[in-house]
Amino acid sequence: GAVVSQHPSWVICKSGTSVKIECRSLDFQATTMFWYRQFPKQSLMLMATSNEGSKATYEQGVEKDKFLINHASLTLSTLTVTSAHPEDSSFYICSALTSGRADEQFFGPGTRLTVL
Amino acid sequence: QKEVEQDPGPLSVPEGAIVSLNCTYSNSAFQYFMWYRQYSRKGPELLMYTYSSGNKEDGRFTAQVDKSSKYISLFIRDSQPSDSATYLCAMSEQAGTALIFGKGTTLSVSS
Repeated sequence: GAVVSQHPSWVICKSGTSVKIECRSLDFQATTMFWYRQFPKQSLMLMATSNEGSKATYEQGVEKDKFLINHASLTLSTLTVTSAHPEDSSFYICSALTSGRADEQFFGPGTRLTVL
Repeated sequence: QKEVEQDPGPLSVPEGAIVSLNCTYSNSAFQYFMWYRQYSRKGPELLMYTYSSGNKEDGRFTAQVDKSSKYISLFIRDSQPSDSATYLCAMSEQAGTALIFGKGTTLSVSS
């Protein structure tokens, strides 16, 4: 149980285009989802926290107008990278919390974004 | 000073060795401590979870937390080539909040 999926697993796009990444909790309801970004040989850095039905809370330095997060249901959160640039190329990972185990985050497999 | 410090390695050991991985942190409010294993281009997988100070053992893995020293450790006994991965420590102040990660230590176990 407690499986989180992400789609797509990798994507290549042209500079200036937008990319949507989906994060789904497959067998549980996720009250909270987190979006992290990981650059090569770096740690996971929190980008934003999203609660179902509420606006996402962004970390300092993360542009909310560039990284649009929608948590429309208890099983789905989406991250849209708008007007992507090469410096946005990174590994994007989501994690989800369930109300039954608030102390454990379940991570998705990640999405590798390459912006040309 | 970063909140969580972790030596990135790489760490290379022969099969069967005992591996010790460590993290130090500066925020005394951290109460929840985790160790994740991450294979290349994959999401992190939870290995061990500890609340507050103390030890926890699960098979070949032992996690230790020393809050007085702000120091946590993960020990792997009888290491196997399949243990080769990046190990990330993570911690949080409260349950249900975002995690603060270390940079990760890359471990290579040779047969």
